[in-house]
Amino acid sequence: DIQLTQSPSSLSASVGDRVTITCRASQNIRSFVNWYQQKPGKAPKILIYAASNLQNGVPPRFSGSGSGTDFTLTITSLQPEDFAVYYCQHSSKTPPFTFGPGTKVDLK
Amino acid sequence: QVQLVQSGAEVRKPGASVRVSCKASGYTFTAYGITWVRQAPGQGLEWMGWTNVYNGKTDYGQKFQDRVTLTTDLSTDTVYMELRNLRSDDTAVYYCARVVSLAVDVLYNWFDPWGQGTLVTVSS
Repeated sequence: DIQLTQSPSSLSASVGDRVTITCRASQNIRSFVNWYQQKPGKAPKILIYAASNLQNGVPPRFSGSGSGTDFTLTITSLQPEDFAVYYCQHSSKTPPFTFGPGTKVDLK
Repeated sequence: QVQLVQSGAEVRKPGASVRVSCKASGYTFTAYGITWVRQAPGQGLEWMGWTNVYNGKTDYGQKFQDRVTLTTDLSTDTVYMELRNLRSDDTAVYYCARVVSLAVDVLYNWFDPWGQGTLVTVSS
């Protein structure tokens, strides 16, 4: 099965900062990566699908890029509501739909 | 609006089984799959399995292959997840989610929306 790693595992940032989270796959997974945001006590929420497509209703400060084995989630200007845990997910047409270990973004 | 509503919290003893329900509304139930993901306390997300609601086909994660069953009730737009032979490390919040698919050059899948989660506690 394909394994996903994320870096960093956590980061501290300030409102207005540009934040970049990386997801690396153990083998080529083309553009089969999604990104989710999870706030404490809440279910995850889809942000980006197919590596770079912004889900309807998600603010444009979020963007995704990459293909093959290396993927990036970028938040261009961090807002107070963006402090959360972010997960990448392998999402090929057939399961398993593995998640990365998560990246916690908290307030510096 | 599209919504998944899960059943309430459960407490079980080791070795028992639990069944969690996920009732869908706001969309054509048979047009989307349903998947299950769990999250142990303070841990990350773990994919368990999914079901094609239209034809009943299921796929399970290797870790859960022998202990989990997903079933569908088309009369009530509900999917059930049963986990058997529970252990203390099965204590987790269990989420269902709708599987959205997009066919471009290939088929992309993502999970949206998610249910509110169901806490299952396994303790003697």
